[in-house]
Amino acid sequence: QVQLQESGPGLVKPSETLSLTCTVSGGSISTGSYYWTWIRQPAGKGLEWIGRISTSGNTNYNPSLKSRVTISIDTSENQFSLKLSSVTAADSALYYCARASAVCFDYWGQGALVTVSS
Amino acid sequence: EIVLTQSPAFQSVTPKEKVTITCRASQSIGNTLHWYQQKPDQSPKLLIKYASQSFSGVPSRFSGSGSGTDFTLTINSLEAEDAATYYCHQSSSLPYTFGQGTKLEI
Repeated sequence: QVQLQESGPGLVKPSETLSLTCTVSGGSISTGSYYWTWIRQPAGKGLEWIGRISTSGNTNYNPSLKSRVTISIDTSENQFSLKLSSVTAADSALYYCARASAVCFDYWGQGALVTVSS
Repeated sequence: EIVLTQSPAFQSVTPKEKVTITCRASQSIGNTLHWYQQKPDQSPKLLIKYASQSFSGVPSRFSGSGSGTDFTLTINSLEAEDAATYYCHQSSSLPYTFGQGTKLEI
């Protein structure tokens, strides 16, 4: 059973860079035709797709965040990561990592709460 | 980007009731519409993929239908554990988008 776990600082200062890592267990991140994905959910609100990375390193980002987002993958550590630069309070949210099997998200992490505040 | 509009946004329901949630896409997306359930303080869980295919382990009372722009999630004989927010999601084109959610209160 594949499991995903987000980790990273829970508090980030405005204008700084948010960094999160998702560790995958129960299977190799480089096996299969999956996209490894980041999704966020502001408190009390809906879900926003941030972007994804394939096992070969191809990335796609939400245009609304594209200039500030970088997703990378480390197959040796079975991890993938999210960096979001120049954060503001609007970036405060619960950040989920997920596996996209074909086109839907079949496994999710439990979420990492990130607050942007000085 | 493709906008997904769910209705209703909120519904108060009783056990054993049949519930229908709709999701309308701003343009045709074929069958690339998926449904998720999110219980309080939990991550979303995949229920239905490709409009009508049940994901592994999902109770049979959950079913989906539709194609093009109009889709439906049906819960037959609602159980108390089904209290949650339900989201639709389209994978027809990037950026992937979600509906705003439908909260079921039991």
